[in-house]
Amino acid sequence: DAGVIQSPRHEVTEMGQEVTLRCKPISGHDYLFWYRQTMMRGLELLIYFNNNVPIDDSGMPEDRFSAKMPNASFSTLKIQPSEPRDSAVYFCASSSGINTEAFFGQGTRLTVV
Amino acid sequence: RKEVEQDPGPFNVPEGATVAFNCTYSNSASQSFFWYRQDCRKEPKLLMSVYSSGNEDGRFTAQLNRASQYISLLIRDSKLSDSATYLCAVNKGWGKLQFGAGTQVVVTP
Repeated sequence: DAGVIQSPRHEVTEMGQEVTLRCKPISGHDYLFWYRQTMMRGLELLIYFNNNVPIDDSGMPEDRFSAKMPNASFSTLKIQPSEPRDSAVYFCASSSGINTEAFFGQGTRLTVV
Repeated sequence: RKEVEQDPGPFNVPEGATVAFNCTYSNSASQSFFWYRQDCRKEPKLLMSVYSSGNEDGRFTAQLNRASQYISLLIRDSKLSDSATYLCAVNKGWGKLQFGAGTQVVVTP
């Protein structure tokens, strides 16, 4: 199994630009999570999906952030417009059931200048 | 109060020694618990699940104390390669997995 695949691995963008992060979960996993990790705040859950439906987006920091899951094998996290404080590592993870462990992608390291 | 709390450390451990640390959670309805290991600039990787009866995997032992709402991780015979940040994860129900900020462990020769 290829595991959770994220792209790009690194992204450097200018303030005000739109950023789109992509994730392909492990095949057969029904849950997909987007996390953000910073030194100050640790690993924060932004949003998660079950069977492509957003279940809880209470962790999304602002309206500038949006996430979609158009099908079982693809999800995007979009930031528009981006700001320097959005700089972080964004992880996507997936799991196979309601009480099972999550498996992480390698993350996207975002730098907004 | 944070929903999942950990002592950030660092725990400086001589090679071969034992180290243990806890993770507290606030939601008594939490369903499942996990320990993850994260190396610098890498993704978290599952170390072990935590079962009600406690479980052991080689040099690692995990315990769950529901009454006091914490989980623990014990590492015996520490190796240099055990140096990492250990994250606890708590499933609050409906699949929502929340993480602590991590405990840093540094094993020294």
